[in-house]
Amino acid sequence: DAGVTQSPTHLIKTRGQQVTLRCSPKSGHDTVSWYQQALGQGPQFIFQYYEEEERQRGNFPDRFSGHQFPNYSSELNVNALLLGDSALYLCASSLVPGLYASYNEQFFGPGTRLTVL
Amino acid sequence: SQKIEQNSEALNIQEGKTATLTCNYTNYSPAYLQWYRQDPGRGPVFLLLIRENEKEKRKERLKVTFDTTLKQSLFHITASQPADSATYLCALVLYSGGGADGLTFGKGTHLIIQP
Repeated sequence: DAGVTQSPTHLIKTRGQQVTLRCSPKSGHDTVSWYQQALGQGPQFIFQYYEEEERQRGNFPDRFSGHQFPNYSSELNVNALLLGDSALYLCASSLVPGLYASYNEQFFGPGTRLTVL
Repeated sequence: SQKIEQNSEALNIQEGKTATLTCNYTNYSPAYLQWYRQDPGRGPVFLLLIRENEKEKRKERLKVTFDTTLKQSLFHITASQPADSATYLCALVLYSGGGADGLTFGKGTHLIIQP
């Protein structure tokens, strides 16, 4: 079992550009959540996808959007990048689906390190 | 305002001693509380989960307590080893419309176990 995988590992973009990050959940998991972790901070919840729909959303602007595919993999898109978007972006999957996912263990991927210049 | 506080400075513990990490929160009423370990450049790894109606949970050398009156959770590692050195994150699970929001994390405590 490969666990949660994310790509790419590292990414460098310039202000104003757009970026797409990808995540494949752990086998058998159908709920995917995305988190942003700035240096020295804890992860911050961006949103959660289940059954190809955004189910929960944290306090992030509309520049952050996502998608979930029928195979449960997910993408995080960030438009009009700002310097403050530089962070480690983490994807987590859960065996328990949907709205109850956070009540249980979350399996995190290794993250994508995004640097905005 | 809502806040989660963990020892923001590094915690240095001698090998073999018990490490105790604190998670305090204000203006939250979490349903559950989870603890994760994070190594540099890696994603968090789940350690323990405790429910609001549970006082204590144990797993091998790990113990977590949850006091909803004090709004505090304590995380203990007994017989600590240098391999336990990492950042430990406390995460609250809040009720939301019948389900649960995403996890709300503290900043984490950097634990260093010295040989």
